[in-house]
Amino acid sequence: DAGITQSPRHKVTETGTPVTLRCHQTENHRYMYWYRQDPGHGLRLIHYSYGVKDTDKGEVSDGYSVSRSKTEDFLLTLESATSSQTSVYFCAISETTKSNPAGELFFGEGSRLTVL
Amino acid sequence: DAKTTQPPSMDCAEGRAANLPCNHSTISGNEYVYWYRQIHSQGPQYIIHGLKNNETNEMASLIITEDRKSSTLILPHATLRDTAVYYCIVRVNSGNTPLVFGKGTRLSVIA
Repeated sequence: DAGITQSPRHKVTETGTPVTLRCHQTENHRYMYWYRQDPGHGLRLIHYSYGVKDTDKGEVSDGYSVSRSKTEDFLLTLESATSSQTSVYFCAISETTKSNPAGELFFGEGSRLTVL
Repeated sequence: DAKTTQPPSMDCAEGRAANLPCNHSTISGNEYVYWYRQIHSQGPQYIIHGLKNNETNEMASLIITEDRKSSTLILPHATLRDTAVYYCIVRVNSGNTPLVFGKGTRLSVIA
C-alpha cells in the first residue's frame, strides 16, 4: 500500500471553529489531492497540488484553503467550519513517469469530520 | 461532470465472472480509462487502467472496444470481498489532472 497517512482520522468540532486536516506521504509523489465524500454526491475534488507551493481549486473549494510547504505534507484548512462541511475527507497522491505517464491515484483511509 | 455512464447496481454470484460495463462515448484520443473501487467506507482503490489495448493484472481485466467508446471491467472469479462500488473514469494522461468521480456501479457478490 502507498504510504499515505491522514490525521486526524476522526474529529468532532463546533460551528465556527478552525480545523486543519493533514495528509502525509512517504512516496515522494509530486501530486496530492483532497476530496470529500457525501451520500448522494460521491467523491468531489476540493483542492489539489502539483508541487510544493503549487495548488489549484477543485469543484467544491469554497470554504477551504490548502497549503503545501514540503513535498510530503498537504494540509486542508477549514477557516470557520460549518455543518455543511460535515463529511469524509480523502487525500490522494499520484506521480507520473516516462514509463507510466498516466499515474494512478492512491488514496488514504479518510478523515471523518463532524461539525455540530 | 463525470464523462462516463455506468449502471447503478449489479449482482454477481460468488465464483462467477463479474462484468461491469462503462460507456464513455465522448472519450478523447489522449484520455485513459481508469477503474477504481471503494469497499464500504475505505478509500478508493486503484484496479486497472488502459488507453487502447486490453489490459490484465492480478485483480482484473479491462476490455476496451475498438472505437474506445465503451469498456468492460472483468473480475474473473468474484468473491464476497469484491462487493464494492466500482468507478469507471476517463482522464487525460497528465499528472496534474485530477480524477472526476461519477456515481459508479454498486456490485453485490452473492453467496
